Amino acid sequence: EVQLLESGGGLVQPGGSLRLSCAASGFTFSSYAMSWVRQAPGKGLEWVSAISGSGGSTYYADSVKGRFTISRDNSKNTLYLQMNSLRAEDTAVYYCAKDLIVGAALGAFDIWGQGTMVTVSS
Amino acid sequence: DIVMTQSPDSLAVSLGERATINCKSSQSVLYSSNNKNYLAWYQQKPGQPPKLLIYWASTRESGVPDRFSGSGSGTDFTLTISSLQAEDVAVYYCQQYYSTPFLTFGPGTKVDIK
Repeated sequence: EVQLLESGGGLVQPGGSLRLSCAASGFTFSSYAMSWVRQAPGKGLEWVSAISGSGGSTYYADSVKGRFTISRDNSKNTLYLQMNSLRAEDTAVYYCAKDLIVGAALGAFDIWGQGTMVTVSS
Repeated sequence: DIVMTQSPDSLAVSLGERATINCKSSQSVLYSSNNKNYLAWYQQKPGQPPKLLIYWASTRESGVPDRFSGSGSGTDFTLTISSLQAEDVAVYYCQQYYSTPFLTFGPGTKVDIK
């Protein structure tokens, strides 16, 4: 079964750091671009960051550029999001999502994790 | 950035009746070289992650009931649920991937039972 499982969320103070993980199973992880998408409480979906299958190309939304770093370890079938200088407005459920097609990032996501909650508050 | 808008914000439809959700993009998401619209639709039920329903504006994802259909081209798109079922109560989002990987979602449309 194709599956994504996020972990690493929690409560952190403004200015703090957190690292999210997303463990993938059931597909050839290295063949697919992956993304992080977040959803603030009661709000809509916001794309955060994407990474190519090889990990050689990374992309960020302006709202997180310079603060968040996406990476992947294809030997461990795991995607990461390092979040630094966190702000209250980063409070959200963070989902990892698998791209629909093999190869280059398309940007439509056929598999999503259950999400991990990040709360930034003092 | 490509801005996505949806209408209505919410709608209530009787069981078995048709539900129609509109999505508009601030610029065309039709890629002329392959004549494909880079537009997807997702369904999100409370407490669950989004689920892909439609991609390329009208291609139904595997396992999605055929009462769900997508149409439109360029900047104007529609998701239609031909005969609403109780399990279709959810928020529906459109998303453009024309400017991939810089993606944008619509604000969502909440569908309820009347």
